[in-house]
Amino acid sequence: QSALTQPASVSGSPGQSITISCTGTSSDVGGYDYVSWYQQHPGKAPKLIIYDVSNRPSGVSNRFSGSKSGNTASLTISGLQAEDEADYYCSSHAGSTTLLFGGGTKLTVL
Amino acid sequence: EVQLEESGGGLVQPGGSLRLSCAASGFTFSIYAMNWVRQAPGKGLEWVSVIGASVSVTYYADSVKGRFTISRDNSKNTLYLQMQSLRAEDTAVYYCAKAQYSATWKRGFDPWGQGTLVTVSS
Repeated sequence: QSALTQPASVSGSPGQSITISCTGTSSDVGGYDYVSWYQQHPGKAPKLIIYDVSNRPSGVSNRFSGSKSGNTASLTISGLQAEDEADYYCSSHAGSTTLLFGGGTKLTVL
Repeated sequence: EVQLEESGGGLVQPGGSLRLSCAASGFTFSIYAMNWVRQAPGKGLEWVSVIGASVSVTYYADSVKGRFTISRDNSKNTLYLQMQSLRAEDTAVYYCAKAQYSATWKRGFDPWGQGTLVTVSS
């Protein structure tokens, strides 16, 4: 199975909102509500920021939100801050035995 | 505080073997599924394997099936990844990651360890 498709990069100015897409198929993103998003700063481990498409773990800012329509999931970051500059990865289960990640999106805060 | 600490990485020749460990603390290790995820230098994340809390369930990515074996020792709160027949394309930072919820491994991984680097080269 192929990795999920994400844009290589997105950018925005402080205070703006940006959206990162994650496109799969009906066998993964479209077939299950098990989409997660991770934030990774350079040289650091990934951090879970969204799970089950739109749920935030405790302690994650409500500026982060997730949604899904058909085979595409989306992560929206509102009120962009400099600290949001990082790589973002989506993941989705594809059946009961496999998990796929997206290729990652580099967010630049201008 | 939940903590995961990987060890065992290093330089290995193509065709060689290596065993990674992940020491867990701060939670009831035995009731959570655990995962290995890797990241090649400058590349994205790739899920490698998962083991259920009861150790009877293990799944692997096609890229490592038949070469890697995931296991756990609940008495030592430790997760392992035995890697054999290593290839250059296995070069990556290997992270262990805890399932967020005990009932399933599908609802996100939290937290992740800091990773251990495996380099496969002659």
